[in-house]
Amino acid sequence: SQQGEEDPQALSIQEGENATMNCSYKTSINNLQWYRQNSGRGLVHLILIRSNEREKHSGRLRVTLDTSKKSSSLLITASRAADTASYFCATGTQGGSEKLVFGKGTKLTVNP
Amino acid sequence: SAVISQKPSRDICQRGTSLTIQCQVDSQVTMMFWYRQQPGQSLTLIATANQGSEATYESGFVIDKFPISRPNLTFSTLTVSNMSPEDSSIYLCSAKSGTAVEKLFFGSGTQLSVL
Repeated sequence: SQQGEEDPQALSIQEGENATMNCSYKTSINNLQWYRQNSGRGLVHLILIRSNEREKHSGRLRVTLDTSKKSSSLLITASRAADTASYFCATGTQGGSEKLVFGKGTKLTVNP
Repeated sequence: SAVISQKPSRDICQRGTSLTIQCQVDSQVTMMFWYRQQPGQSLTLIATANQGSEATYESGFVIDKFPISRPNLTFSTLTVSNMSPEDSSIYLCSAKSGTAVEKLFFGSGTQLSVL
């Protein structure tokens, strides 16, 4: 079953605006990761936040994690047309399993 | 990081035939994972492939339909057998690098259409 649920399912913004995507999950996690996928191709890892962290930054990306609410958000600041892609959250669960469970994704369109 | 070469990138197949997808990693990796992504959907894990042992399949996926090989630490194949139109999906292989054991590196995907 799917662990993560992203919202919104689709987001359309203008270049220069900020984009915020949210992810909720159901079980206890070791870490939460965000990936990007262009045009149905392979995914690229963006950022990982551990369960004992609350916020993390990488360039124009900012990720927050609220384990009490079982939710995370990904903020992309000053968006560019090249940021147009689908964004997925993925959770690594506690208990030693190596696999990641992916959410349904948010399709982001940045209009020039 | 790890670079994964996946092929074919796309194929159109007839019902009842089989297709083997190959993934080559540029470094040795312990675990490889095969995912399916149906049109407009998220990724669903098919199986985990460890070198030297049988693949571990997720609920809803069976070895007869999706046999996997993992002959060494840099290579794996997934076969989609006796295909039907419902198998039309993107198939993605991925691996965890030894230096970044938590994040996944992905191949570029195989877009499969079954007629």
